[in-house]
Amino acid sequence: QSALTQPPSVSGSPGQSVSISCTGTSSDVGRYNRVSWYQQPPGTAPKLMIYDVTNRPSGVPIRFSGSKSGNTASLTISGLQAEDEADYYCSSYTASDTVVFGGGTSLTVL
Amino acid sequence: QVQLVQSGAEVKKPGASVKVSCKASGYTFTGHYLHWVRQAPGQGLEWMGYIQPNSGGTNFAQKFQGRVTMTRDTSTSTVYMELSRLRSDDTAVYYCARGGLVVVTNIQAPWFDPWGQGALVTVSS
Repeated sequence: QSALTQPPSVSGSPGQSVSISCTGTSSDVGRYNRVSWYQQPPGTAPKLMIYDVTNRPSGVPIRFSGSKSGNTASLTISGLQAEDEADYYCSSYTASDTVVFGGGTSLTVL
Repeated sequence: QVQLVQSGAEVKKPGASVKVSCKASGYTFTGHYLHWVRQAPGQGLEWMGYIQPNSGGTNFAQKFQGRVTMTRDTSTSTVYMELSRLRSDDTAVYYCARGGLVVVTNIQAPWFDPWGQGALVTVSS
């Protein structure tokens, strides 16, 4: 199972919006609405930010939103804040009853 | 609150085995799958597999089949992940994470929340 494809890095200024893409195949992202997104600041464990493509867990700011079109899912962060600087990972359920992660995207707040 | 607390760092020689524990609290232990995810230094996340705490059933990523064992002790709400025939490229932080649950249908879901603090396993001669 190959990893999902994410851009290595993205950046934005405070207050701007940024989007991170996550491209899979028709056997994972394209087949199931089981895409999740995780935030990982340096030296910490990942934190769930989005599940089932669009859903935010309690406590996650409304600035974080998710979407999907075909084999590509996206995480959008609006009103960027300095505290959003972290690595972001997507994951998807697969047709093999497994989970696959993306390679990760480093977000820099300029 | 829901919490997963893992065992400490380990240093192992190539060819040895390592066993990492993950103690759950704050929820019904048998109600959620427990997953294991690892992260090599400076690298991304890699899903290893899960255990069903109620039955002990497991499902592993193909890459780890034959080398990984996952067990649980329901009396202490603890799961264990043992990786054998260690190689240098197994050096990583190993995380346990609680699987999601669709409450309305009681169906297990493939998102992870929360995560344990991680356990660094170093494989070196």
